[in-house]
Amino acid sequence: QVQLQESGPGLVKPSETLSLTCTVSGGSISNYYWSWIRQPPGKGLEWIGYMYYSGNTNFNPSLKSRVTISVDTSKNQFSLKLTSVTAADTAVYYCSRSPAYTPRAWYFDLWGRGTLVTVSS
Amino acid sequence: SSELTQDPAVSVALGQTVRITCQGDSLRSYYASWYQQKPGQAPVLVIYGKNSRPSGIPDRFSGSSSGNTASLTITGAQAEDEADYYCNSRDSSGNHVVFGGGTKLTVL
Repeated sequence: QVQLQESGPGLVKPSETLSLTCTVSGGSISNYYWSWIRQPPGKGLEWIGYMYYSGNTNFNPSLKSRVTISVDTSKNQFSLKLTSVTAADTAVYYCSRSPAYTPRAWYFDLWGRGTLVTVSS
Repeated sequence: SSELTQDPAVSVALGQTVRITCQGDSLRSYYASWYQQKPGQAPVLVIYGKNSRPSGIPDRFSGSSSGNTASLTITGAQAEDEADYYCNSRDSSGNHVVFGGGTKLTVL
């Protein structure tokens, strides 16, 4: 059974870089898209971006200038870096998986449990 | 603002049928997927593609689409279906991914 687990600091100072890692266990990172999604407290879901296992990336235009997503296939991990954070970046951050080769459809079939990141001095 | 629009809240009597809708131009070209999220938990995929359910999702959940509107129907709503529901698809350019604002379902 494939599982996703987010890890990283729960507290980040304003203007610094938020860094999170998602570990994929019980399955391969190949042939899927791997996304980061966030949810501010009491608000809705926001897609941050995804990386295909081969390295192609795609980001939310509103965050593109601050986001990097990378993958380490040898460790079955992918990572998020979000620079110049502010209080508005405080959220639960989820990693998620999307199957490839799904014409006319996009969906997240597997999610991590999420990790709360608070931006505060 | 999201390119996918959902009603903020919907209610249904126990055992009755409820439809939750999602509107957006991209839905003329792409199927919506639907997620159930209970407090303090990660979202769970309940419907994807034309009308497919992941393993373990009860068959009282179904999906449909017409024009720019996708719908999630729960036939015979149960108390455990009380949750937030989000739709998701590609945006109108087809290049990015978007979520609806979410619908809070109350089962009375």
